[in-house]
Amino acid sequence: DTGVSQNPRHKITKRGQNVTFRCDPISEHNRLYWYRQTLGQGPEFLTYFQNEAQLEKSRLLSDRFSAERPKGSFSTLEIQRTEQGDSAMYLCASSPRQGAAEAFFGQGTRLTVV
Amino acid sequence: GENVEQHPSTLSVQEGDSAVIKCTYSDSASNYFPWYKQELGKRPQLIIDIRSNVGEKKDQRIAVTLNKTAKHFSLHITETQPEDSAVYFCAASPAAAGNKLTFGGGTRVLVKP
Repeated sequence: DTGVSQNPRHKITKRGQNVTFRCDPISEHNRLYWYRQTLGQGPEFLTYFQNEAQLEKSRLLSDRFSAERPKGSFSTLEIQRTEQGDSAMYLCASSPRQGAAEAFFGQGTRLTVV
Repeated sequence: GENVEQHPSTLSVQEGDSAVIKCTYSDSASNYFPWYKQELGKRPQLIIDIRSNVGEKKDQRIAVTLNKTAKHFSLHITETQPEDSAVYFCAASPAAAGNKLTFGGGTRVLVKP
């Protein structure tokens, strides 16, 4: 499968623990996006990268959230001191180039905070 | 920022009938409008998109229309089939914002055989 890959697919963690998710975009896609989706809702934008530069962060992204894309390839999303309200599906998407708006999504990481 | 409203939230149709989903957006700078289909437990998949320089686009049984003046766009599915059952999301994106997508709340479509 040469699409967007996310790991892990599922994560259950205790409140207060830190978690990290990984996204591998489609090869040579220079734009990478993170979205969060709760049950019954549309995905909500969190942040995006063009190559290794993080160009925008949503106000939804509290100080407990941090994202990186160190070499402009894969990206990680870390949540520190998880809360029950963080339970959601975290989706990654990539887009081929500036001006091409099509975004291709990964299958997501479902986070459950207990 | 952009706000996208989507209606209806659920839609039940008989197989073979048409389904129409409507979305409105608020930011006149938005110029790209994709539609995604999401089956249970799966990733959102792009099924059709339209740019603001076009009023209508069709791909087999799926068509999308855009009214820039009224800031609304619609998805039309003709001759619905059971495999069309899924949640459909509309979205809007201004190119100046890095093509980040603002999604509607989704429409759960059920096609009854």
